[in-house]
Amino acid sequence: EVQLVESGGGLVQPGRSLKLSCAASGFTFSNYYMAWVRQAPKKGLEWVATISTSGSRTYYPDSVKGRFTISRDNAKSSLYLQMNSLKSEDTATYYCARQTTRVPLDYWGQGVMVTVSS
Amino acid sequence: DIQMTQSPPSLSASLGDKVTITCQASQNINKYIAWYQQKPGKAPRLLIRYTSTLESGTPSRFSGSGSGRDYSFSISNVESEDIASYYCLQYDNLLTFGSGTKLEIK
Repeated sequence: EVQLVESGGGLVQPGRSLKLSCAASGFTFSNYYMAWVRQAPKKGLEWVATISTSGSRTYYPDSVKGRFTISRDNAKSSLYLQMNSLKSEDTATYYCARQTTRVPLDYWGQGVMVTVSS
Repeated sequence: DIQMTQSPPSLSASLGDKVTITCQASQNINKYIAWYQQKPGKAPRLLIRYTSTLESGTPSRFSGSGSGRDYSFSISNVESEDIASYYCLQYDNLLTFGSGTKLEIK
């Protein structure tokens, strides 16, 4: 059974950093692209980052480019999101999801809440 | 970047109705559109990929169609368990979600 479990969320002050983790199991992690998607309270879904199988290629929307860094450790079947210079508008539930070119975002974690507030 | 314009923002339907949601891309996305269902407090669930391919476990009352820039998603014979928000996602070039449609039952 495919499982994705996020961790590392919490309350953080504006301008500070936070690192999210996603532990994957039930599939060969190194064979899949992975992504982070977020959802602000009572708002829609927003793609945040994607990483290739080896980690050599990363992709971001303009809203987080230069502040967020996606990475992975295939030996640990783990995905990460380093978030720097956090803003109040980064407050959201963050989901990790499995991604392929043919089947987009087919499995999702349960999400982890990040609140940016002083 | 590709933009996705989804409408309507909300829908109110009676049980048994057919409802349709549309998404228009800012450019041709070559049928690389998926549709998700999200219930409150839950992660999104992939229902349809590549415009019209139903995922395993997706009831046949769900369907998708379209080409080029214009796509639609329909639920025929709406059931109470379909109460949720629905999102389109283009994956032709990076990823872009539509703004979502909240389905309510009259």
